[in-house]
Amino acid sequence: GESVGLHLPTLSVQEGDNSIINCAYSNSASDYFIWYKQESGKGPQFIIDIRSNMDKRQGQRVTVLLNKTVKHLSLQIAATQPGDSAVYFCAENTATAGNKLTFGGGTRVLVKP
Amino acid sequence: NAGVTQTPKFRVLKTGQSMTLLCAQDMNHEYMYWYRQDPGMGLRLIHYSVGEGTTAKGEVPDGYNVSRLKKQNFLLGLESAAPSQTSVYFCASSATAKGTQYFGPGTRLTVL
Repeated sequence: GESVGLHLPTLSVQEGDNSIINCAYSNSASDYFIWYKQESGKGPQFIIDIRSNMDKRQGQRVTVLLNKTVKHLSLQIAATQPGDSAVYFCAENTATAGNKLTFGGGTRVLVKP
Repeated sequence: NAGVTQTPKFRVLKTGQSMTLLCAQDMNHEYMYWYRQDPGMGLRLIHYSVGEGTTAKGEVPDGYNVSRLKKQNFLLGLESAAPSQTSVYFCASSATAKGTQYFGPGTRLTVL
């Protein structure tokens, strides 16, 4: 597959445990945030999003938390499975920046059996 | 529904050669984007389009040109490839400016 992020921060998680991936965003004017998952050799895949008027949103086994005070975003994955092994990116969208997405550098999650 | 497709999947060029990467989407999306992804640097926006016949520069546009002659296609051109353009290129599309961006599988380009 593609060699993505040779020097990415890595989170090693035991199968069945919960994972927490953190992201600090840069623009206090950002009003929309997205988490993407990227498996080796594939394009990023949408996981969950959240708008700035919310502080928590839940999906299937995933929860995104937004703390605008400290400009921090987190993704929680419940009962992590081997299929969750991937690189996870947060992205922010800012209306004042033309509504373009700015991506973070990514975190690699390795699930140990 | 194929979603977003990209051709080719892999390409090797010599410095100075030109090529065009093709992105196609069948979701009737207005917005389309070209990103490059380099190790440890996440995705960076090269160019984007907010509709047929329109294009705009992103974060790293130098050395690239784009065209959006048809709503479903977004072409990325390299007129004179350089080794610094060795990267993985991803195309994406979205229905609206703040809509979910759907990504293609990527094109791995190596410039020797």
